[in-house]
Amino acid sequence: QVQLKESGPGLVQPSQTLSLTCTVSGFSLTSYHVSWVRQPPGKGLEWMGVIWTGGSTAYNSLLKSRLSISRDISKSQVFLKMNSLQTEDTATYYCAREGEALDYWGQGVMVTVSS
Amino acid sequence: DIVLTQSPALAVSLGQRATISCKTNQNVDYYGNSYMHWYQQKPGQQPKLLIYLASNLASGIPARFSGRGSGTDFTLTIDPVEADDTATYYCQQSRNLPTFGAGTKLELK
Repeated sequence: QVQLKESGPGLVQPSQTLSLTCTVSGFSLTSYHVSWVRQPPGKGLEWMGVIWTGGSTAYNSLLKSRLSISRDISKSQVFLKMNSLQTEDTATYYCAREGEALDYWGQGVMVTVSS
Repeated sequence: DIVLTQSPALAVSLGQRATISCKTNQNVDYYGNSYMHWYQQKPGQQPKLLIYLASNLASGIPARFSGRGSGTDFTLTIDPVEADDTATYYCQQSRNLPTFGAGTKLELK
């Protein structure tokens, strides 16, 4: 069945770089796009960016200068890297498969930015 | 960016109908499809897709949930509301790069 699982550090220091991995199963990264969405504690959802089936990417204009999404098709993994982290980047980070909409989501990984 | 506006909260009684609205500042229709989707999120859980392309029920979602609308005005209806439906509901457009509404928290009276 379709599954997505995020992994990465739970704590990142301010100004450092966040690296997250989304490991997928049950579908191919060449058949479905994968997006990253984050949610600060107690707040709403924010779309961050997407890697399309062909490997190209698109980013939220507010994050574009700090964000990079890539993938390893052979490992069924999608990667998120975001630099210059600040406390306001504290959030739960989700990866999600994009069919007609974001039809499958990972459980999320909580990332706290703090010294 | 396309901005989606939702009311912050809605309180309904068990067994009654809940109607959640989402308005956009730009048309999200394109070639016969309305690129509007609805998600349910309960505390501590990931969002769950309920409705895609404005009116299509996602797999495994009960028929108590329905969506309608086009252009810039959309609604999600839950009828009848059950206790398990207390959650926050988000609309999301994919006509352009995706954006979400701020969410509507559904509570029981």
